[in-house]
Parts: sequence; structure tokens; C-alpha cells
Amino acid sequence: SSELTQDPAVSVALGQTVRITCQGDSLRNYYASWYQQRAGQAPVLVIYGKNIRPSGIPDRFSGSSSGNTASLTITGAQAEDEADYYCNSRDSSGNHRVFGGGTKLTVL
Amino acid sequence: QVQLQESGPGLVKPSETLSLTCAVSGYSLSNAYFWGWIRQPPGKGLEWIGSIYHSGSTYYNPSLKSRVSISVDTSKNQFSLRLSSVTAADTAVYYCARDRVDYYSSGSSGDFDYWGQGTLVTVSS
Repeated sequence: SSELTQDPAVSVALGQTVRITCQGDSLRNYYASWYQQRAGQAPVLVIYGKNIRPSGIPDRFSGSSSGNTASLTITGAQAEDEADYYCNSRDSSGNHRVFGGGTKLTVL
Repeated sequence: QVQLQESGPGLVKPSETLSLTCAVSGYSLSNAYFWGWIRQPPGKGLEWIGSIYHSGSTYYNPSLKSRVSISVDTSKNQFSLRLSSVTAADTAVYYCARDRVDYYSSGSSGDFDYWGQGTLVTVSS
């Protein structure tokens, strides 16, 4: 079982704001990183650290954290944002990495 | 531009050993960072397998540790995965990625910033 918990599916209307969450005890000590995976493609890093976007990632993607919960927010969701989103962090021991189960985002 | 490319057999028989290699270009493995393997069974989520540093230091997923070995060849700028005693449950797309965590620092959260395209490995007789 995953040490990071995500909602299996979330939907958002085109142009609206959506928040995808990731819960786990290790998130009290470590930031989560977030990955977008479109169908049939490799994952892409979209947020890391406190709230850092790699080059080329639109500024509608942002990250935040509070207690044992990390969040990925998409402000003004676009059709191309429809994808699976995964969080990742170190586990409670610090010696291993763990992924959340993933959230399937549907843009309506 | 950092690029990673997985290679290896696409079909492995049950009980045999899965072997994959990840060739890295645009960055020297000897410079820094860990380098990791991640897999994704068809229709399922991502699973971290393990990561290696250029010195050979490794960290493995506890659920796979008894069957996994990751090695690095800095002269060829590549690293490799071996998974023994495979079963159908090991059928997955296998990705290699650059792992930017500092396992030696409690303050490092890390991320996987560059990924290969992935290679499907099917375990079947």
C-alpha cells in the first residue's frame, strides 16, 4: 500500500480551478513533487520543492503544503491538462521514495 | 539537454531475470545526482524501484529489495537494472529517470526531473 494517498479521480470545468491533494505522514518533513502523465506518455515533472515550476511548465500550475497534505492547483484548467497526476516524496524513513496512487483529472 | 533511453528485452520468461540499461546523454553520471528506475504496470500507478549514485551507493524499494540490483557504468555513462525471479506481476513499463534527492541530507526532498520514454517488459512464457 502507498504511504501517499490521492483521490482516484477529479473533474473540473474548462477554465475553472482544481486542487489535487496528496496526504502522508512523510509530507510533514518533505516536500512533494508532482508529475503529469498524459495517456501513453512518460511522466513530466510539473512542481517540485516549495512551489517551483520547471522551465516550460505553465504558471497556472502551483503547489502548496500544509501539515501532512500537499496540493497541486491548476488555475484556469485547459483541455490539455487532462491527465493522470502523481505526487512523490521520500518515505518516513527518508531512505526510500514513494508515489501516490495517482489522480485522474478530467476537464469537462 | 539531458536525455535518457531505456533498452533491453521486451519479453522475459517467468522465473528468469529482467535486465534493462539506461543510457544517459547530455550529462555525466559522474557529476552528481542519483539515477533511478520506476515502473508502471498496465493501467496502474507508478512504483519506485530504486536509485543509484555514481559511487555505486544504492537505495531500493523494500518490497523489491530481495530481487533487485542496480549498477552503474560511468565509462559508458549508463546504469542498469536487474530484477530476478520475475512473474507476470512484474509486467510493466519501466522508466529510468534522474533522481535529484540527496539521500545523505535529511533536508532534501528530491524529484525526478528527466525521464526516459519507457520500455514495456512483458513476463510470459
